[in-house]
Amino acid sequence: NAGVTQTPKFQVLKTGQSMTLQCAQDMNHEYMSWYRQDPGMGLRLIHYSVGAGITDQGEVPNGYNVSRSTTEDFPLRLLSAAPSQTSVYFCASSYWDRSTGELFFGEGSRLTVL
Amino acid sequence: AQTVTQSQPEMSVQEAETVTLSCTYDTSESDYYLFWYKQPPSRQMILVIRQEAYKQQNATENRFSVNFQKAAKSFSLKISDSQLGDAAMYFCAYRSYFGNEKLTFGTGTRLTIIP
Repeated sequence: NAGVTQTPKFQVLKTGQSMTLQCAQDMNHEYMSWYRQDPGMGLRLIHYSVGAGITDQGEVPNGYNVSRSTTEDFPLRLLSAAPSQTSVYFCASSYWDRSTGELFFGEGSRLTVL
Repeated sequence: AQTVTQSQPEMSVQEAETVTLSCTYDTSESDYYLFWYKQPPSRQMILVIRQEAYKQQNATENRFSVNFQKAAKSFSLKISDSQLGDAAMYFCAYRSYFGNEKLTFGTGTRLTIIP
């Protein structure tokens, strides 16, 4: 049962470097999303997608880029990392038919920007 | 926009006792889901319980139950017979039945179990 797989689980970057957080799901979910988790702030939505070729911004999209070329994959790109992007990142997916409403989460990726 | 408020940053309970975590939310919608997610030190987000707003009956999952008060926009989680493995961060979350499917989270309650 792979579910939602995120890589890498840990990453340290220097300010200005770029990187991509990978997310893949094998449940044929239409909806995929990226959240960041910061102390005292819960989880906040960065970007989401309701299907291949369709993406939209969440609450905190600045500094992040996404694309959805396949149903399975939804990578998150940091174009020029900043210390404010130090956080734990979660990818989550779900069905579109709202049968349960439940989001399935990956294990998270801890990113530190120095 | 919907908001979710968890007013208890930290709670503690003796092992085998019962504890209730509070959650309130604000919405103008009538159809939605409410969730409690558990985040242990492993960081994994684990669904504890789900409630559909149209259902009057409170959801239960083994030792976990909710008190859903739609008019008061309240959604508390009761954990009975608390166990050491229940120690975690608990997040209340709201998801609209329609629209962009975003999950809105509260800021979390850290639950400590005292042996």
